Amino acid sequence: AQTVTQSQPEMSVQEAETVTLSCTYDTSESDYYLFWYKQPPSRQMILVIRQEAYKQQNATENRFSVNFQKAAKSFSLKISDSQLGDAAMYFCAYGGGADGLTFGKGTHLIIQP
Amino acid sequence: SQTIHQWPATLVQPVGSPLSLECTVEGTSNPNLYWYRQAAGRGLQLLFYSVGIGQISSEVPQNLSASRPQDRQFILSSKKLLLSDSGFYLCAWSRQGLKETQYFGPGTRLLVL
Repeated sequence: AQTVTQSQPEMSVQEAETVTLSCTYDTSESDYYLFWYKQPPSRQMILVIRQEAYKQQNATENRFSVNFQKAAKSFSLKISDSQLGDAAMYFCAYGGGADGLTFGKGTHLIIQP
Repeated sequence: SQTIHQWPATLVQPVGSPLSLECTVEGTSNPNLYWYRQAAGRGLQLLFYSVGIGQISSEVPQNLSASRPQDRQFILSSKKLLLSDSGFYLCAWSRQGLKETQYFGPGTRLLVL
């Protein structure tokens, strides 16, 4: 079974600074995909970024980028120029097929003004 | 564009009462559908997924069941609620395929007393 580990229960960063959230996963599959979702206080899960395992190039979406290390099974999220609206729970998730995603326990990101 | 709806938004039910949560998707056909539960301070746990009408896969044994009576409708049910059924229930959809992104609804907060 796949597992996803987020070792940082909480992170704090000053507004406009850069923060990196860590995620590691365990799988025996070679073809899969990884996600970062954001859950603001409204609790709706919002897709931040997606990475295909077969792609060596790291995904980027505006201020959000990932560092995907397939051999190390590591998938970290970097948020540049942090904004107050970035404050939320961030979940790393693994997907291997048409069934559901496996989620980590989340990292609570605090933005200090 | 596609939208996903869940209702009710909040529900307070006594132990032993029945449950019915509904999820509908608009703007797409033949989606994969998913039910997740999020306990307080935890990540999401996949409960059920469906790749078509009447096709339900269960990920964990529990007091809940799911049904898909129509292509874009997914229902989560229980005959008798337990205290441990309290949580935040999220429905998600994806396009058919093996590596499709899942998009989440606004969720239902369930409190069993």
